[in-house]
Amino acid sequence: DAKTTQPPSMDCAEGRAANLPCNHSTISGNEYVYWYRQIHSQGPQYIIHGLKNNETNEMASLIITEDRKSSTLILPHATLRDTAVYYCIVRSMEYGNKLVFGAGTILRVKS
Amino acid sequence: SAVISQKPSRDICQRGTSLTIQCQVDSQVTMMFWYRQQPGQSLTLIATANQGSEATYESGFVIDKFPISRPNLTFSTLTVSNMSPEDSSIYLCSVWGQGGRVNGYTFGSGTRLTVV
Repeated sequence: DAKTTQPPSMDCAEGRAANLPCNHSTISGNEYVYWYRQIHSQGPQYIIHGLKNNETNEMASLIITEDRKSSTLILPHATLRDTAVYYCIVRSMEYGNKLVFGAGTILRVKS
Repeated sequence: SAVISQKPSRDICQRGTSLTIQCQVDSQVTMMFWYRQQPGQSLTLIATANQGSEATYESGFVIDKFPISRPNLTFSTLTVSNMSPEDSSIYLCSVWGQGGRVNGYTFGSGTRLTVV
């Protein structure tokens, strides 16, 4: 599996955009980038995923650089309920579809 | 999306005993996984539950300690055997599927285990 690197923590003001970076410089051509988040005491929640094109859904946008070595998850208008641990995960097809979690980024949204 | 029911949601157990955690999905899924999350840590994959055959364990996890069953496409159990306080963690079931009500990965809400 390609390794991901994320900052351990970030702060964001409520109502502002939260931009969470992820480095995955060893990603290979058939590996997807997934983002999950875990709010305290709950199971991880799917946010978004992509291969090489930018993606947007009702929760967030995912921007993947052209060389695919890094990506940014964007929460356009962060709320206090977005305070959580955010995990950037690269899924390797050769390992039978399992997700391997790194340490993630603790995002604190403050009023 | 699929709904996962994990039971029990929490338990307090005596050291030396065993606990079986159940994971029930409301639709058939291709793959089921079990994770452990120790206090303040990220999720660690324990094993992939294979239908009708032995689970595939990750490095550091063994069948004698964490026996897993998966008798069909919607149900799996994880047993934590001969427990010690170091086994106090949240144990999570996850499923993966394509198409229908299961598309991608979904996680249960977890079982919070405390061993005393």
